Amino acid sequence: DQQVKQNSPSLSVQEGRISILNCDYTNSMFDYFLWYKKYPAEGPTFLISISSIKDKNEDGRFTVFLNKSAKHLSLHIVPSQPGDSAVYFCAASGVWDSNSGYALNFGKGTSLLVTP
Amino acid sequence: DAGVIQSPRHEVTEMGQEVTLRCKPISGHDYLFWYRQTMMRGLELLIYFNNNVPIDDSGMPEDRFSAKMPNASFSTLKIQPSEPRDSAVYFCASRRDRGGEKLFFGSGTQLSVL
Repeated sequence: DQQVKQNSPSLSVQEGRISILNCDYTNSMFDYFLWYKKYPAEGPTFLISISSIKDKNEDGRFTVFLNKSAKHLSLHIVPSQPGDSAVYFCAASGVWDSNSGYALNFGKGTSLLVTP
Repeated sequence: DAGVIQSPRHEVTEMGQEVTLRCKPISGHDYLFWYRQTMMRGLELLIYFNNNVPIDDSGMPEDRFSAKMPNASFSTLKIQPSEPRDSAVYFCASRRDRGGEKLFFGSGTQLSVL
C-alpha cells in the first residue's frame, strides 16, 4: 500500500507562472520529506527537503510547504521555466525502527510540462 | 566522483532467461538501495544493504529475484527466470550513513522482457 501519494500524474504550466505539485502521506511517523526531479533516461536527483519541525523551506525558485496536521506537502516553483519540465517525485522517511526507517518511500511521481 | 554506476543501460531478453543487473555505489557510501520504477507503482524499494549486509528485502517481489553485495563497491540484482511483467527501469542508489537522507541514483537499467 502506498504511503506516499501523488494524485496528479501530470501538470502543464505556462512559462513564468507558478507550478504547484502536491503530495500526501499516510504514515504519521514520517519526519523527513524530500522532492526529487527526474529527466528522461536519467536517475532521480535530489531537489529540496524539509524536516517535520519546519513548515517551509525555500531554495531559490523552489519552496516546499509542509502541513503536518493534514499530512500534506507541496512544492512550489516560481517562476516556472521550460527546463523544469521533468517528473517530480515526493519522498518521505522516518526513524521508527532500526531497519526500515532509513529507506525512502516514494510517490508515483508527477510529470510537469512547462510550455513557452 | 563518478557517481553511482549501473550496467547495462538497456537489457532486452526473452522470457525465461536470466538477467543480471550491476551497480557500483559511490565510494564511502554505506547504504545501497535497489528500486524499480513502473507506471503503475512508481518508484518502489526492492531491497537495501548496509555495509554489504541485506537489511530489508521485503520489497523483492518473488523468489525469482535475488540481490547480492559481495563487497562495498559492487552489487547485483538477478532475475531468474525473467517474465514480461518484470519489464521496468531498475535503479540503484547509494547513501552515506544514517545521517544522509539524500539518495544518489544511478542512471538506471531499462529492462524489457519479451
